[in-house]
Amino acid sequence: KQEVTQIPAALSVPEGENLVLNCSFTDSAIYNLQWFRQDPGKGLTSLLLIQSSQREQTSGRLNASLDKSSGRSTLYIAASQPGDSATYLCAVRTGAAGNKLTFGGGTRVLVKP
Amino acid sequence: DTAVSQTPKYLVTQMGNDKSIKCEQNLGHDTMYWYKQDSKKFLKIMFSYNNKELIINETVPNRFSPKSPDKAHLNLHINSLELGDSAVYFCASRKIGGDYGYTFGSGTRLTVV
Repeated sequence: KQEVTQIPAALSVPEGENLVLNCSFTDSAIYNLQWFRQDPGKGLTSLLLIQSSQREQTSGRLNASLDKSSGRSTLYIAASQPGDSATYLCAVRTGAAGNKLTFGGGTRVLVKP
Repeated sequence: DTAVSQTPKYLVTQMGNDKSIKCEQNLGHDTMYWYKQDSKKFLKIMFSYNNKELIINETVPNRFSPKSPDKAHLNLHINSLELGDSAVYFCASRKIGGDYGYTFGSGTRLTVV
């Protein structure tokens, strides 16, 4: 059974500092890994999608790495801004019947101005 | 706008009532899902439909019945609502046949009183 863990559960940094969010998963047989952002009371916004054959994906200040063999992904957010404050969720897609996403518990980020 | 849309956004109801949540996607995706986010913010899959066919049915009480009239719609009907059903329910969709990511709706916050 796939289990996804995100550490730390919460993170508070001053504006301008780089953010490092960690995600680990127990079963390396994944199709891809997706990072989402969730603002309080809102839905999920997809940030980055990394295929199992890829090592990293970049979008603007965001960079996500994937080490499938060790079951780890890291989301880097450069030069954090107060607007980056949100909960960041990592999810892996496995190939069991139906292909489902298994989510981690999220990292709640607060960027202080 | 191309999106996954859910209605209603908020739903407050008494124990024992029956209620429905609707979901529609205009992305041309083949597979639709219902996820539940509990008070601890964990997201767990409930159901998955692929072209109107039920693919995934996690250990969800029989009081929950999904219905997919066509591949663009996936509704969730809940009978005899209980306090523990209070949560945020997210609909999602995905295009199959490739390594595509998931698109989520903005969620329906269900409160049972």
